[in-house]
Amino acid sequence: NAGVTQTPKFQVLKTGQSMTLQCAQDMNHNSMYWYRQDPGMGLRLIYYSASEGTTDKGEVPNGYNVSRLNKREFSLRLESAAPSQTSVYFCASGYNLGTEQFFGPGTRLTVL
Amino acid sequence: KQEVTQIPAALSVPEGENLVLNCSFTDSAIYNLQWFRQDPGKGLTSLLLIQSSQREQTSGRLNASLDKSSGRSTLYIAASQPGDSATYLCAPNNNAGNMLTFGGGTRLMVKP
Repeated sequence: NAGVTQTPKFQVLKTGQSMTLQCAQDMNHNSMYWYRQDPGMGLRLIYYSASEGTTDKGEVPNGYNVSRLNKREFSLRLESAAPSQTSVYFCASGYNLGTEQFFGPGTRLTVL
Repeated sequence: KQEVTQIPAALSVPEGENLVLNCSFTDSAIYNLQWFRQDPGKGLTSLLLIQSSQREQTSGRLNASLDKSSGRSTLYIAASQPGDSATYLCAPNNNAGNMLTFGGGTRLMVKP
């Protein structure tokens, strides 16, 4: 089992460009999450999906959209990237809300 | 808003020492608490999840305790090894079980 996979590993964007970060899990988990990690700020929740067909805002949702494509896949979209969105983005999954979360390897995004 | 503090921020010890990492949180209404390790440039690896009703949880050389009413958790590492060198993060989950709040981490270096 691959666990939680994320693509791409690295990405450089110019201000105003758009992109989608992909996440997939093969553990048959119901819940999936997107976090960002910034120096001095720790990890913060952007959006989560309790189950297929549902999504909810986390602590820092502004500037992002998400899609729970199916049970396996949860994507994060930046419609118009800003330098403040330079960060490392992590996807995670858990069997249900409140259960142990497992993290992917991360996507390092730089917005110039 | 939940705030999580981890002390010390950094720790350097010789191999073989037993050590304690501390985590405190301001809102005691939590569902559970998870401990992670993060290696440089990598994702998070789940170490232990301790439910709000539990006092302790053990996995190998690791032991996590939880005192929910005082807003504290500790991670005890026995007989430390160089391979334990990493950043350790604690994250209480809110009462709804839908949001982990992360501390800033303790950066551990175990010297041979």
